[in-house]
Amino acid sequence: KAGVTQTPRYLIKTRGQQVTLSCSPISGHRSVSWYQQTPGQGLQFLFEYFSETQRNKGNFPGRFSGRQFSNSRSEMNVSTLELGDSALYLCASSRAPQGLTLYNEQFFGPGTRLTVL
Amino acid sequence: GNSVTQMEGPVTLSEEAFLTINCTYTATGYPSLFWYVQYPGEGLQLLLKATKADDKGSNKGFEATYRKETTSFHLEKGSVQVSDSAVYFCALSDADQLTFGKGTKLSVIP
Repeated sequence: KAGVTQTPRYLIKTRGQQVTLSCSPISGHRSVSWYQQTPGQGLQFLFEYFSETQRNKGNFPGRFSGRQFSNSRSEMNVSTLELGDSALYLCASSRAPQGLTLYNEQFFGPGTRLTVL
Repeated sequence: GNSVTQMEGPVTLSEEAFLTINCTYTATGYPSLFWYVQYPGEGLQLLLKATKADDKGSNKGFEATYRKETTSFHLEKGSVQVSDSAVYFCALSDADQLTFGKGTKLSVIP
């Protein structure tokens, strides 16, 4: 079974631009979560989508947004990029929403490395 | 809110040495606890998990026991290998989200 895929793997943007990252979950998985990983802050939860609805959101500004399509694929958008947005953005998929401990094992993709210049 | 504290390292060990990475947590309720591993250039992989107090998770020679009384979930391995070199993350999950520790980088030298 194919794993979680993320595109692109690497991205370089300049301040003020916007960027869209894509995540394709494992087949049959309906929950997609996004995380930002930086050396200073570690892994921080951005948001979770389940069945096309945002189920939960972390403590990030409104410049960070996302959506999920009917096939469970998800996109994350960051507008008006800042230098501090440089990070590895990880996507994870699971069958059920987070919190259902019996079934919520999350499978992570390889990440998109975003560099903002 | 929930939080996870783990020793930040880096940790450098010789092959076949004993490994302990400490992890403590703060949470309301009864979270599930996890250890994830991230190999260079890759995403996170679930290493082991425990869903209730006194559960022991184990995988690939790694073990961790859910200790509710000390709110801890320390990772141990009796004999590390060079291939275990990676970053290890302790995490907890409650009804809302997965919360991670800052990660511990482990380097194992031959």
